[in-house]
Amino acid sequence: IAGITQAPTSQILAAGRRMTLRCTQDMRHNAMYWYRQDLGLGLRLIHYSNTAGTTGKGEVPDGYSVSRANTDDFPLTLASAVPSQTSVYFCASSDSLSFGGPLNEQFFGPGTRLTVL
Amino acid sequence: KNQVEQSPQSLIILEGKNCTLQCNYTVSPFSNLRWYKQDTGRGPVSLTIMTFSENTKSNGRYTATLDADTKQSSLHITASQLSDSASYICVVSAGTGFQKLVFGTGTRLLVSP
Repeated sequence: IAGITQAPTSQILAAGRRMTLRCTQDMRHNAMYWYRQDLGLGLRLIHYSNTAGTTGKGEVPDGYSVSRANTDDFPLTLASAVPSQTSVYFCASSDSLSFGGPLNEQFFGPGTRLTVL
Repeated sequence: KNQVEQSPQSLIILEGKNCTLQCNYTVSPFSNLRWYKQDTGRGPVSLTIMTFSENTKSNGRYTATLDADTKQSSLHITASQLSDSASYICVVSAGTGFQKLVFGTGTRLLVSP
């Protein structure tokens, strides 16, 4: 079934530890995104990638890094986790080089629930 | 500052009833507006997307309206079903070229039997 998968589903992490959230899509979409969703706030963009080999910073990039070695995978790394990074993380993708254009529907993965203690 | 505000924050209705969710935005320049449905523990799923020139769009029992002059949108759900219980998120796309999506905080809808 085509779509986006994320792993792990949930994780409890000690502060200071390194963590990589995985995201894979099989729709051959060019653009991919990482968001975090916190209670009482709308989804906020962390990082994005318009195409393989390129990445960009979103609204809340501090403490996170990404890479885009190929079209399908877009891992998000927390180099040294802090409690404020406790959140639900969503990966998304879209099929347009025109980032965010009118027909650029974003498809979301199921999310990773991360707790940093 | 670009903002999207939704109301009500939460809503409980009886199965079979209709309801309307509201979205007000202060996003400029406006490109398009989307409504997403997010089931508990799942990622958002797109319901509708409307550009500046569209004022109504339907997807089954969901009908979205857009008034670009007043910067308001609504999502009307007809003959609600238990499966409609979810959060509904209004998202506005701002600008041209690199377009930023501004997400509302959502309306949590509970359809009660």
